Amino acid sequence: QKEVEQDPGPLSVPEGAIVSLNCTYSNSAFQYFMWYRQYSRKGPELLMYTYSSGNKEDGRFTAQVDKSSKYISLFIRDSQPSDSATYLCAAPGWDGGSQGNLIFGKGTKLSVKP
Amino acid sequence: NAGVTQTPKFQVLKTGQSMTLQCAQDMNHEYMSWYRQDPGMGLRLIHYSVGAGITDQGEVPNGYNVSRSTTEDFPLRLLSAAPSQTSVYFCASSYSTGGGQETQYFGPGTRLLVL
Repeated sequence: QKEVEQDPGPLSVPEGAIVSLNCTYSNSAFQYFMWYRQYSRKGPELLMYTYSSGNKEDGRFTAQVDKSSKYISLFIRDSQPSDSATYLCAAPGWDGGSQGNLIFGKGTKLSVKP
Repeated sequence: NAGVTQTPKFQVLKTGQSMTLQCAQDMNHEYMSWYRQDPGMGLRLIHYSVGAGITDQGEVPNGYNVSRSTTEDFPLRLLSAAPSQTSVYFCASSYSTGGGQETQYFGPGTRLLVL
């Protein structure tokens, strides 16, 4: 079992919808998580960084971690066609920091229809 | 800053050929990594480096070699290409901002087709 699991989708929603993207993790030692966004034929780019307790909000995006169930979520409010991309969750390969070693979920492909 | 650059953008190889994928960064980042991305498999770590002269294996290292003689460059060598190595390869660099935080910056990728 991979340490970070993610439903690959695809997920299609109408513009303006609230989107929920989810991952599960197996290593309780993970202390922080990341969400990356990857547009088609581009490299991933960091979207949000969140520690293993609580929520983090950045504009229309909210990242949430539930340690008890080992569940990571990314919510997108008022989704826009420009949000259409693949979203990848990630965790560090080391307890003390990734040092270049990240474990990624498979990514969820999101399409927001106008 | 150019960020992370990768060359070539696209390459076709025949089975058994060798080649080097180039990666360079101009941000003075200490950490560099190579990932491959395949449909349905996500991003998988091949090799990574925590500084010049130091490299380590990731999840899928077989068939690949790396070295890091400078902070800026981290080439990935395919020793004898196989069709299973057909993939999109991403190089990334990162630095520690303290408190465990670290942001990886990815290059644009190299698409490799092995026939």
